[in-house]
Amino acid sequence: GAVVSQHPSRVICKSGTSVKIECRSLDFQATTMFWYRQFPKQSLMLMATSNEGSKATYEQGVEKDKFLINHASLTLSTLTVTSAHPEDSSFYICSAREDTTGREQYFGPGTRLTVT
Amino acid sequence: AQTVTQSQPEMSVQEAETVTLSCTYDTSESDYYLFWYKQPPSRQMILVIRQEAYKQQNATENRFSVNFQKAAKSFSLKISDSQLGDAAMYFCAYKGAGKSTFGDGTTLTVKP
Repeated sequence: GAVVSQHPSRVICKSGTSVKIECRSLDFQATTMFWYRQFPKQSLMLMATSNEGSKATYEQGVEKDKFLINHASLTLSTLTVTSAHPEDSSFYICSAREDTTGREQYFGPGTRLTVT
Repeated sequence: AQTVTQSQPEMSVQEAETVTLSCTYDTSESDYYLFWYKQPPSRQMILVIRQEAYKQQNATENRFSVNFQKAAKSFSLKISDSQLGDAAMYFCAYKGAGKSTFGDGTTLTVKP
């Protein structure tokens, strides 16, 4: 089956620094990728939809200047958390929508971000 | 604003039996998508099933099927012939023109 990787799986950074999370579709092309955030009590939030070659579409209430998304190729999207603060600590999940059918959506294993 | 409610925080089912997870939502939109996602203990999310609101036919994926009642704004998930590997947190989600919304999840336990 289709595989989506995320790197790193865990990252600890200091408050005020930036951290980049990579999301790759390993064996399929994905014009569209999604970034989610999962909070400590497990609730999920779609942060943004990442489109290859164009600007990401952010959900209401998500700070686009804080969560920078770049979709540089058909297999890679990155999420950069800028000037991270402890409240940004969370589990970040990406997913990629497979181009051929446009229906299948595959998820990465997630990245645990801890800001100290 | 759209809301999604999963009224069952926890459910359990005997292996090989059938279980139904409930989901209701509130929206003023007429065109939208509904999803069920599975998150096992590994935390690797899986898209279980999706339903386009304009389609009257209920979506099915092997042992998983939905009962989509648009007028009632209900979107329940039925898992037939439950297997141990079905044990997970299940999230119902709504996506329309506005914000995407997830329910709080239902933890499903499968008893051998």
